[in-house]
Amino acid sequence: EAAVTQSPRNKVAVTGGKVTLSCNQTNNHNNMYWYRQDTGHGLRLIHYSYGAGSTEKGDIPDGYKASRPSQENFSLILELATPSQTSVYFCASGGRERDTEVFFGKGTRLTVV
Amino acid sequence: GQQVQQSPASLVLQEGENAELQCNFSSTATQLQWFYQRPGGSLVSLLYNPSGTKHTGRLTSTTVTKERRSSLHISSSQITDSGTYFCAMEEDTGYQNFYFGKGTSLTVIP
Repeated sequence: EAAVTQSPRNKVAVTGGKVTLSCNQTNNHNNMYWYRQDTGHGLRLIHYSYGAGSTEKGDIPDGYKASRPSQENFSLILELATPSQTSVYFCASGGRERDTEVFFGKGTRLTVV
Repeated sequence: GQQVQQSPASLVLQEGENAELQCNFSSTATQLQWFYQRPGGSLVSLLYNPSGTKHTGRLTSTTVTKERRSSLHISSSQITDSGTYFCAMEEDTGYQNFYFGKGTSLTVIP
């Protein structure tokens, strides 16, 4: 069973603080993704990665950094959190080959106050 | 960037009725996947269907790649089918970006 684990599941941060959201996958997938989900916007791609050491900008990368230190781990970093970054964040993993599915973690609810 | 349009935005059905959800995209898709999400829940993969027709249980997906569209048919809807259905696609550009539509909110009533 494909597994993507996110931590923490819930986080309250202060404006201007640093937040790190972590994601671990045991699927041996090359590709990993970070999305945020907001009412009225659906899911929007923030950053993604093709493999260890690579990070690429998605559609809304401003205010976010990403890190892929290994095949299994992909982090999303908010260096200076703002209230507009309050959202639910989802991590996903998928294979490099075209004929592979994408699997999602359970999400992290982030509130920036 | 890639555009993924889903219709209808919302749908209310009586239990037992069938549902037809549509997904249209602006460029050729190499992957097409349908997801389900309960309010406050995560995304659960329903069907992976980049082309052709696939079935699982009461769900049938048909993707016509050349016409850049996919549909999800839910037969004999149940109250527990209520939630939001998303289609997501990866475009054929060599860059592996996975894009989502805004979803169809389905409510099944007794």
